[in-house]
Amino acid sequence: DTAVSQTPKYLVTQMGNDKSIKCEQNLGHDTMYWYKQDSKKFLKIMFSYNNKELIINETVPNRFSPKSPDKAHLNLHINSLELGDSAVYFCASSQGGLGSRPQHFGDGTRLSIL
Amino acid sequence: QKEVEQNSGPLSVPEGAIASLNCTYSDRGSQSFFWYRQYSGKSPELIMFIYSNGDKEDGRFTAQLNKASQYVSLLIRDSQPSDSATYLCATLGDGGYQKVTFGTGTKLQVIP
Repeated sequence: DTAVSQTPKYLVTQMGNDKSIKCEQNLGHDTMYWYKQDSKKFLKIMFSYNNKELIINETVPNRFSPKSPDKAHLNLHINSLELGDSAVYFCASSQGGLGSRPQHFGDGTRLSIL
Repeated sequence: QKEVEQNSGPLSVPEGAIASLNCTYSDRGSQSFFWYRQYSGKSPELIMFIYSNGDKEDGRFTAQLNKASQYVSLLIRDSQPSDSATYLCATLGDGGYQKVTFGTGTKLQVIP
C-alpha cells in the first residue's frame, strides 16, 4: 500500500486554467506538507497542516490554496496557472512537526504549463 | 544574499572516505536545521534534524551545528556509492508561521 499518494502524477495544462492536486496519506500522521521543486531543483516548502490547522504558510501567491478536509488529506488548488508554476509538487506527511522523522514523501506531481 | 548557502558541487569522495557537506545561513533567528537527501528523479528524504549546538549522530551520519558561526554541516562516514545524491540543507525560523528556507543543495558523488 502506498503511504503517501498524490494524483495526478503528471499534469499538463494551459496558462490561465485552474487545477487541483490531491494528496492522501494512510499512515495516520497528523502533519502534512506541500513542497515545490522548480526546474533548477530548488526545493521550497509551501504549506504545512497539523490536524487540519495551517501551521506553515510560506510566501506563495494567493492563487495557491491548500485545503485539508481531514488529517489524511491535503489538496492543493491553483488558480490562473502561470508559466512559472511549472514544477514538481511533492506532498509529504509526518507524525509531529517539521523535524519529525520519518517524513514520508509522495512521488511528486509534475506540472507543466503550456 | 542567499539565506541558506551551499556549494553546489559536485563533491567527489572515494568510497570509504568521510564526506563533509557544509551549509551557512543568514537568519540568526533560525531555530532548527535539517538535511534532506534526494536521488536524481526521486522524492526528497529527511535524514537529519538538529537544533542544539554541537554534534548529533545517527548511524553513519553526523550533523554539526554552530549557531554562533551560523554554520551547519553533515558528515557521512564510510561513504558508499549509494550515498551519491543531492543533499539539501534547510533552516526553520520562528514566528507565527514558521519560516522554512532551503539551500540549493550539494551534489555528492562517491567514487567506487
